[in-house]
Amino acid sequence: NAGVTQTPKFQVLKTGQSMTLQCAQDMNHNSMYWYRQDPGMGLRLIYYSASEGTTDKGEVPNGYNVSRLNKREFSLRLESAAPSQTSVYFCASWDRHSYNSPLHFGNGTRLTVT
Amino acid sequence: QKEVEQNSGPLSVPEGAIASLNCTYSDRVSQSFFWYRQYSGKSPELIMSIYSNGDKEDGRFTAQLNKASQYVSLLIRDSQPSDSATYLCAVNLRGGAGSYQLTFGKGTKLSVIP
Repeated sequence: NAGVTQTPKFQVLKTGQSMTLQCAQDMNHNSMYWYRQDPGMGLRLIYYSASEGTTDKGEVPNGYNVSRLNKREFSLRLESAAPSQTSVYFCASWDRHSYNSPLHFGNGTRLTVT
Repeated sequence: QKEVEQNSGPLSVPEGAIASLNCTYSDRVSQSFFWYRQYSGKSPELIMSIYSNGDKEDGRFTAQLNKASQYVSLLIRDSQPSDSATYLCAVNLRGGAGSYQLTFGKGTKLSVIP
């Protein structure tokens, strides 16, 4: 039972490079989220997708784009990486129709931009 | 602005003592409350959920909810060094168009001293 799977686990980029973080969930959840976590800042929402076919900005969307490819997959793209995007990125999913349900997290991607 | 507030800590308690973690939230109609534990370098994991006023116990953990005071707490009895982690409070807050969004506090770092 995989839950939420994120790839890659680690990545080092040079400033200006691009990359896509992949996320897939097998729990048939309709909502998916991308967070970043920096020391002392807690979890900050980058983008979310309430349902297949929709995406919305969160608290810190600048410098990122997302694609909800299908119900299972939600990717996060950095078009031109900057050192300020060095962070740990978490994907999560949630059953929106049962709002008493918790958020389920992937294992995270540790990204360093030099 | 809808918020979830936690003391950042660190909170230090001796082994065997009771650790008390507190969280306040801004939205009176919130119905779902969660406590996550996050070890350093790991993703958050759900340890407790609570939806009704009062106490909910699960092993050494007790969640307490007071909706009138907009306050939720987590008590850890017989604290162990393995409980040393950051504890995140999450609350379902109303967003736009009647939707709900799970909003996290910045977390309280707990250190249990042997």
